[in-house]
Amino acid sequence: NAGVTQTPKFQVLKTGQSMTLQCAQDMNHNSMYWYRQDPGMGLRLIYYSASEGTTDKGEVPNGYNVSRLNKREFSLRLESAAPSQTSVYFCASSGSYTEAFFGQGTRLTVV
Amino acid sequence: SQQGEEDPQALSIQEGENATMNCSYKTSINNLQWYRQNSGRGLVHLILIRSNEREKHSGRLRVTLDTSKKSSSLLITASRAADTASYFCATDDHSGGGADGLTFGKGTHLIIQP
Repeated sequence: NAGVTQTPKFQVLKTGQSMTLQCAQDMNHNSMYWYRQDPGMGLRLIYYSASEGTTDKGEVPNGYNVSRLNKREFSLRLESAAPSQTSVYFCASSGSYTEAFFGQGTRLTVV
Repeated sequence: SQQGEEDPQALSIQEGENATMNCSYKTSINNLQWYRQNSGRGLVHLILIRSNEREKHSGRLRVTLDTSKKSSSLLITASRAADTASYFCATDDHSGGGADGLTFGKGTHLIIQP
């Protein structure tokens, strides 16, 4: 049982480049989330998907897009990366009113 | 904006002592959760307490919730070196349907001295 799997683990981008972070969960959860974590900060919600076919903005959505490809997969896309998007990105999934399960994170550096 | 605020921001104690960290939040909640994060790793769920519960135990962990004060505390008893980590509280806001994500505090960094 892998839980939540994120790829890649590390990435360096040049300003203006694009990339997609992939996330998959095998717990049959309806809800999936993308968070970012900056030094000394807690996690901030970028986008979430309460169920297959729906996505909604979180606290810090600017500069990102998401796709809920199916129940298992939820991807995060940076269309034109900026240095301010240097961060650690976490994908998570959960059932309703229950704990969230997190992936191991993607360390993204934009130079 | 961040819902929860942990206190203290950092805590250093001797192995075997108890560690207490606090969390305050702003809005009505469905539940409050505590997570641990080891350096450079993902978050691991520790315990969930629902808004109608006042105290919950799990092994060496004890969590309390006071909804009138919008606050929670996490007590780790008989601390071990392996407890060294950052601890975050997270709230599931009442306005959501239980599916719109958690709101995290900035965390307490706990160091257990051997």
